Amino acid sequence: QSVLTQPPSVSGAPGQRVTISCTGSSSNIGAGYDVHWYQQVPGTAPKLLIYGNSNRPSGVPDRFSGSKSGTSASLAITGLQAEDEADYYCQLDDSSLRGLLFGGGTKLTVL
Amino acid sequence: EVQLVESGGGLVQPGGSLRLSCAASGFIFSRYWMHWVRQAPGKGLVWVSRINLDGSTTNYAESVKGRFTISRDNAKNTLYLQMSSLRAEDTAVYYCARGPGYVNLWGQGTLVTVSS
Repeated sequence: QSVLTQPPSVSGAPGQRVTISCTGSSSNIGAGYDVHWYQQVPGTAPKLLIYGNSNRPSGVPDRFSGSKSGTSASLAITGLQAEDEADYYCQLDDSSLRGLLFGGGTKLTVL
Repeated sequence: EVQLVESGGGLVQPGGSLRLSCAASGFIFSRYWMHWVRQAPGKGLVWVSRINLDGSTTNYAESVKGRFTISRDNAKNTLYLQMSSLRAEDTAVYYCARGPGYVNLWGQGTLVTVSS
């Protein structure tokens, strides 16, 4: 079980808004570490979606947004589209691990 | 084109060894920390190892420490992962990834299967 906890699955209808949570602790997210988010369509490599808690790389639609508060972070997707169906992972750079720490992943189903 | 291309995966027996390579192109390889991240079949992403710009600093996940060695050749724009004493639980797709604190470029992955 990952130190960063994500719901195993979320779902929503096209056009709706969904959020995916990433819960950590006072020793990681709560200590100020930046949270990053990835999208992975099954069978393909992950893709960076959000970096530094709320920043979108070039080319990522503004339907995707990230936020952080306390010991948790969230990814919000508005105007849900069929192509958004994928697995989503949160991640931070863990100084104690001296490496990257990933959440367990959340499968998004577009109904 | 900016890309990372892994190679070297395959089927290996338990206790065996394998070396993965990752060829970088389209960017200045020596300016980036690099990582290996793996994903077991049907499972999530797990960080394996990272290396700094000149290869003088390396870090490993506890599960691979002492068995895997990460290295890089900046003259050849190539990242390596030497894996030894392989176990069934090392079976995964291994991704080469450009760092440092998050990954903004991923390779397509190479499958390593450890089985007799």
